[in-house]
Amino acid sequence: AQKITQTQPGMFVQEKEAVTLDCTYDTSDQSYGLFWYKQPSSGEMIFLIYQGSYDEQNATEGRYSLNFQKARKSANLVISASQLGDSAMYFCAMRERNTDKLIFGTGTRLQVFP
Amino acid sequence: GAGVSQTPSNKVTEKGKYVELRCDPISGHTALYWYRQSLGQGPEFLIYFQGTGAADDSGLPNDRFFAVRPEGSVSTLKIQRTERGDSAVYLCASSSAGGPTTDTQYFGPGTRLTVL
Repeated sequence: AQKITQTQPGMFVQEKEAVTLDCTYDTSDQSYGLFWYKQPSSGEMIFLIYQGSYDEQNATEGRYSLNFQKARKSANLVISASQLGDSAMYFCAMRERNTDKLIFGTGTRLQVFP
Repeated sequence: GAGVSQTPSNKVTEKGKYVELRCDPISGHTALYWYRQSLGQGPEFLIYFQGTGAADDSGLPNDRFFAVRPEGSVSTLKIQRTERGDSAVYLCASSSAGGPTTDTQYFGPGTRLTVL
């Protein structure tokens, strides 16, 4: 079974609009961490935002926020005021308790148009 | 400060050859990770070092793959008798501690390996 599911292979958004990228996860652990990374065409994975399973507040980092719904096991990334430079692949990842590896989804390609 | 660096950025080799991929982590980071990313997929874990020792090598696909980190800083991923299926981008990441779920991994630009 997939541990991280990203159902949107591609998304389009107009510049200055907000966009939500979906991520659902599967774990039986109570303690885990959720991460979002951006991968531009250059290939480097850029860390965007982190949400801990025990965090009561949704994480925010500038224009990025994480809509964390623990009961539904979803951790959607919201990008506000999209910019042309936001065009990239976006990966959701999970790190479970007592392990150090990240498990990634298949990614969503976001394209921002003027 | 400097981020994670990887060399070479691109490597083309022939089937059956031996290759070495190098990773230089962020200074002071004790944890180092190798991932492999095939076309159209997310990165897949290969191996994790805490200091000089491999704490988890469960992701290495077979015994042709080996990695070392002799002085607890730079790491080398070694692939023997390369196969066409080894073609992928090999990503290295480092973090300051490893272990807790809060610890963020910072990635390098990757090495694109092509096996002809």
